[in-house]
Amino acid sequence: GQQLNQSPQSMFIQEGEDVSMNCTSSSIFNTWLWYKQEPGEGPVLLIALYKAGELTSNGRLTAQFGITRKDSFLNISASIPSDVGIYFCAAPRNNNDMRFGAGTRLTVKP
Amino acid sequence: DAGVIQSPRHEVTEMGQEVTLRCKPISGHDYLFWYRQTMMRGLELLIYFNNNVPIDDSGMPEDRFSAKMPNASFSTLKIQPSEPRDSAVYFCASSLAEFPGYGYTFGSGTRLTVV
Repeated sequence: GQQLNQSPQSMFIQEGEDVSMNCTSSSIFNTWLWYKQEPGEGPVLLIALYKAGELTSNGRLTAQFGITRKDSFLNISASIPSDVGIYFCAAPRNNNDMRFGAGTRLTVKP
Repeated sequence: DAGVIQSPRHEVTEMGQEVTLRCKPISGHDYLFWYRQTMMRGLELLIYFNNNVPIDDSGMPEDRFSAKMPNASFSTLKIQPSEPRDSAVYFCASSLAEFPGYGYTFGSGTRLTVV
């Protein structure tokens, strides 16, 4: 089963709105990753976080590594239709056992 | 770079038949991972290889599943015999570094339907 609790499960927003999603765990991680999966494709890495408290941006995306190392947040500003997809948080349990959250399905209405 | 290439993209088979999924990792990547994605269980790691050697197969559901990596540029995931509950999207991913923080590159997946 999954050890990462991701919320919300889905979001329906209007184009131009900001989006926030998060991922929590009872375990401490040294790395948090955020992926996006578009229909019919595999997940693509968006942002990687390596340090507690770190805030990293990639265009309109901003992600934060929680100070407790047990959570992470992803924000999307001024959403556009092409932001549609499923967003996954991920964290390595050990060197190569990557765990994924259940995903947040984002729908953007034009 | 062509990325991680998986074939076929879609597979429909009858229960009891053997299914073989194929993956070509990115050249130079020394780690290869097989994942299964379902609505109920999300993304699950099945098995991964390092330098063609299976390192951890604890995620393989049962003996009906087997995976091989005969060389650095090719891997297969085989299900024999297949069952309807095996229906899922199967992803192959590869990475260059042992440290997964660099992220994996995923293929486009194989959507398997067992009827």
